[in-house]
Amino acid sequence: QSALTQPASVSGSPGQSITISCTGTSSDVGSYNLVSWYQQHPGKAPKLMIYEGFKRPSGVSNRFSGSKSGNTASLTISGLQAEDEADYYCCSYAGSSTYVFGTGTRVTVL
Amino acid sequence: EVQLVESGGGLVQPGGSLRLSCAASGFTFSNYAMNWVRQAPGKGLEWVSAISDSGGTTFYADSVEGRFTISRDNSKNTLFLQMNSLRAEDTAIYYCAKDQSLLPTAGIDYWGQGTLVTVSS
Repeated sequence: QSALTQPASVSGSPGQSITISCTGTSSDVGSYNLVSWYQQHPGKAPKLMIYEGFKRPSGVSNRFSGSKSGNTASLTISGLQAEDEADYYCCSYAGSSTYVFGTGTRVTVL
Repeated sequence: EVQLVESGGGLVQPGGSLRLSCAASGFTFSNYAMNWVRQAPGKGLEWVSAISDSGGTTFYADSVEGRFTISRDNSKNTLFLQMNSLRAEDTAIYYCAKDQSLLPTAGIDYWGQGTLVTVSS
């Protein structure tokens, strides 16, 4: 399984919106509505931000939203805040009870 | 509150073995699949292995198939990863991670803090 493709970095000013893409194939992202997104601050464990493509766990800000089109999933952060500066990873179910992660995106708040 | 606490990491020589453990609490352990995910220093996340709720079925990434064995003890709420024939490229933080379903399909919702495995001579 090859890693899903994400941009290495995305930046934005406070209050702006940014979108992180996650491109897979018809064998993973394109076949299932089972993409999750994780936020990871330096030295910390990942935290679930979005699951099943667009659902938000309890306690996650509604500034985070997810979507999918074809083989590409996206995470949008609106009203960007300083605490959103972190690494973000997508993860898709890839069939046969396996998962594949994205390459990761560093979000910088300017 | 869901808690996952890994242990067993350390320094091991190439070709050696190590057994990781993960103590789970705050949820009904036997109702959920469990995963191991690793992160090499400065690199991204890599799914390593998963096990069904009962422990009856196991799944592995190609990179560890035949060398690593995942198992669980539902009576002790503990997940294990037996790692054999370790290589330098296995050096990483290993995270124990809870799945959202009884088979690994719906995704991971909780993570432990990780345990560092270093493979070096």
